[in-house]
Amino acid sequence: NAGVTQTPKFRILKIGQSMTLQCTQDMNHNYMYWYRQDPGMGLKLIYYSVGAGITDKGEVPNGYNVSRSTTEDFPLRLELAAPSQTSVYFCASTQQGPSYGYTFGSGTRLTVV
Amino acid sequence: GENVEQHPSTLSVQEGDSAVIKCTYSDSASNYFPWYKQELGKGPQLIIDIRSNVGEKKDQRIAVTLNKTAKHFSLHITETQPEDSAVYFCAAGYGQNFVFGPGTRLSVLP
Repeated sequence: NAGVTQTPKFRILKIGQSMTLQCTQDMNHNYMYWYRQDPGMGLKLIYYSVGAGITDKGEVPNGYNVSRSTTEDFPLRLELAAPSQTSVYFCASTQQGPSYGYTFGSGTRLTVV
Repeated sequence: GENVEQHPSTLSVQEGDSAVIKCTYSDSASNYFPWYKQELGKGPQLIIDIRSNVGEKKDQRIAVTLNKTAKHFSLHITETQPEDSAVYFCAAGYGQNFVFGPGTRLSVLP
C-alpha cells in the first residue's frame, strides 16, 4: 500500500501564480484533510472532506479551494499565491474520522516569492 | 474553540534517560488525545492515543497519561534511543474539531 501520496514534494511559485497540490490515497478512506505547517505553529486545518462530493472549511481556508470528485483524490488549489502561503502542506486521511488517527502524506514544501 | 499548549518546545536528553512532554487543552468537550511523531522530511505519524474514559495507556517504551480535571495530558518515553529524536505533536478535540499543539523537538544525545 502506498498510503497517502502527495505531489509535488517541492515547489517555488511567484506571487500571483496558481497551482494545485495533489493528494491521493489508496486505503479507501472516507475522510480527507489538508493541513499547513508553519514553523513553531503546529498544524492548521485548511479544508476537509467527509466523502466524495462533500467539502468543508477548516480554520484557515482563505486563499485555497478544494474539490472531492472521487474517494481517492483530494486536490488543494491555490489561487493568486501570496508570500503568506509559504508553508509545508500535508494531506491526511482516516477511515472513521480524526478520533481514530490520521495517516499523513509526506508533505509539499511551497515557497512563494 | 479548543486551544492546545505544549511544553517544552525543545528537549534534550541523554540516551537511556526518560523524556516527558506535556500538553494542556481548554475545551472540556475534547475526548480524544493523540500523539504524533514527525521525523525530518516526513509527515507526522500516530504513535499513541488516549480517550477521555482512560487515565493511562502504554505501548512498550511510550505511555500517555490524561488528567481530565486539570485538562492536561503527557507523553512519557522511557529508555530513550537516538531514533526517538524527532518533533512530537499532541492534539486534542472531538468530532471534526481537532487542534494540534505547536510541537516539541526532542533530541536524544548519544
